[in-house]
Amino acid sequence: GNSVTQMEGPVTLSEEAFLTINCTYTATGYPSLFWYVQYPGEGLQLLLKATKADDKGSNKGFEATYRKETTSFHLEKGSVQVSDSAVYFCALGVLYNQGGKLIFGQGTELSVKP
Amino acid sequence: DAGITQSPRHKVTETGTPVTLRCHQTENHRYMYWYRQDPGHGLRLIHYSYGVKDTDKGEVSDGYSVSRSKTEDFLLTLESATSSQTSVYFCAISEVREEKLFFGSGTQLSVL
Repeated sequence: GNSVTQMEGPVTLSEEAFLTINCTYTATGYPSLFWYVQYPGEGLQLLLKATKADDKGSNKGFEATYRKETTSFHLEKGSVQVSDSAVYFCALGVLYNQGGKLIFGQGTELSVKP
Repeated sequence: DAGITQSPRHKVTETGTPVTLRCHQTENHRYMYWYRQDPGHGLRLIHYSYGVKDTDKGEVSDGYSVSRSKTEDFLLTLESATSSQTSVYFCAISEVREEKLFFGSGTQLSVL
């Protein structure tokens, strides 16, 4: 079946530290992959996406590369800020005849300290 | 921001009562979704819609029903609420299937 596994949180970093949040997936076919972010008290927002193998998604200093050989889509940022504190969700897209859906990982909470 | 409004934002109800949550969009997007968010589980899909009166089940649909009589409205009904349905419920919309979902602000539901 289709599933997404993320590293457990919470992850606590100091400002300007390097961030990696691991995400691996199991899927049939070639799904699109996504990272969503949820700030406190809000709904999820799309952070970045990649639609095929070796694609790199990037946004706001965050990057993730679609690795088919390792079935991974790890999120990275070179220098985190306090404002990056949020919960990050990895997701894969599954298509059906009539529509599609996203399958989410369990989320990884990031806390950045000044 | 995408025009998605969820109502109510907070609700407390008793076990066994029916509850309806509403999602209203002003974007004219075809696809609408209901997810629930629980600690340790991330978001799980309850039901989704791919058009007016066209709906399908997600992975945790038991105890829930949905209706979509207009493009802009997607209703989620808990037929007889149970404590296990205490959760935060998110509505989402998308223009293209499984691509870039826009989420509402969520409804915090407590079933006592």
